[in-house]
Amino acid sequence: AQRVTQPEKLLSVFKGAPVELKCNYSYSGSPELFWYVQYSRQRLQLLLRHISRESIKGFTADLNKGETSFHLKKPFAQEEDSAMYYCALGDSNYQLIWGAGTKLIIKP
Amino acid sequence: NAGVMQNPRHLVRRRGQEARLRCSPMKGHSHVYWYRQLPEEGLKFMVYLQKENIIDESGMPKERFSAEFPKEGPSILRIQQVVRGDSAAYFCASSPRGGGVSYGYTFGSGTRLTVV
Repeated sequence: AQRVTQPEKLLSVFKGAPVELKCNYSYSGSPELFWYVQYSRQRLQLLLRHISRESIKGFTADLNKGETSFHLKKPFAQEEDSAMYYCALGDSNYQLIWGAGTKLIIKP
Repeated sequence: NAGVMQNPRHLVRRRGQEARLRCSPMKGHSHVYWYRQLPEEGLKFMVYLQKENIIDESGMPKERFSAEFPKEGPSILRIQQVVRGDSAAYFCASSPRGGGVSYGYTFGSGTRLTVV
């Protein structure tokens, strides 16, 4: 079955430390993967998608088909990175399957 | 451009009442998607609509739930005879054309429904 797993509900790191938010997926076809972010009291917004291989706000994510993972990484965390992060999988050209989210807290 | 507007932000209903959630897509967007987020879970797809058409309602519960997107006005998600299990955050997203997944949805702020 199609599924997205984010194993950590909460991740807390110190400012300046590296961050890795884990995402694993299960999908029978060729996956299209995304990271969405929700800052406090703001809307869900697209952070990045694997297909564009871009870096946004210092975050990158590499699709690893062998490990079926799409972990989100940033080498040096900043306080403004504190937010909810959701990994999502495109299940059609219009439908997304979502992970449960990871709350990232950056400690000063 | 005000973005995707959802109202109300918070809605409290007693068991058995009706809940109406509204979503106005971004200007120029004619495709609307509704998702539901239960506590501690990820978002779950409910329905995909274009103006005057339901394209895919495979994620909608078969009873009590309905959605529309009329030619004029916002998209409406309607829940009749609400029960406590309907308590959730309901998100609406829009895109200018089909295939919204590929270039990212634009989301509204969501409506948090509480059934007491």
